[in-house]
Amino acid sequence: DIQMTQSPSSLSAYVGDTVTITCQASQDIRTYLNWYQQKSGRAPKLLMFDASSLEAGVPSRFSGSGSGTKFTFTISSLQPEDMATYYCQQYDSLPRTFGQGTKVEIK
Amino acid sequence: EVQLVQSGGAFIQPGASLRLSCVGSGFSLSGNHMTWIRQAPGQGLHWVSVIYSNGTTHFADSVKGRFSISRHNSINTVYLQMNSLRTEDTAVYFCTRGAANFEYWGQGTLVTVSS
Repeated sequence: DIQMTQSPSSLSAYVGDTVTITCQASQDIRTYLNWYQQKSGRAPKLLMFDASSLEAGVPSRFSGSGSGTKFTFTISSLQPEDMATYYCQQYDSLPRTFGQGTKVEIK
Repeated sequence: EVQLVQSGGAFIQPGASLRLSCVGSGFSLSGNHMTWIRQAPGQGLHWVSVIYSNGTTHFADSVKGRFSISRHNSINTVYLQMNSLRTEDTAVYFCTRGAANFEYWGQGTLVTVSS
């Protein structure tokens, strides 16, 4: 199975800050990577696919980059509604695997 | 509008069986792959099973041989049959549309396995 290692596990930042989350795959997954946002008690929401493609309707302050084994997810100008847990997920092979999650809190 | 509505969660004893249902609307389930993903309390997301549009199925090693997945296209429903349940199967189970990019999710249903 492909292991997805996400960091940090949590972070706290001010409104307006830029925050970055990293995700490392245990083997080359090309750009077969998604990013999800999950708010408390809710189902996850797909934000980005193919490592850097923004899902329709998702604000442009969210961005992603990377290929192979190293990926980053950035929220520029953090907003109060961005408080959530974020997960990366690979779809290069089965089983699909997720990172452990990064909890983003607002200071 | 695409919607997935789940049912079937319960409090159940170890060793018992349970079937979860996921009814789709706003799209034809027969032409789509469907996936189940679970989340243990306070934990992350774990892929459980997929059924492709051609009927091919795959399972996580942790549930292989105990869980099965099926679909009833005429009523736009996908099922997760869970047998020989263990305490470690306790989780919120989500059905999702797709096999790679999970754009649409059900609301989740809680399965608690405990004696």
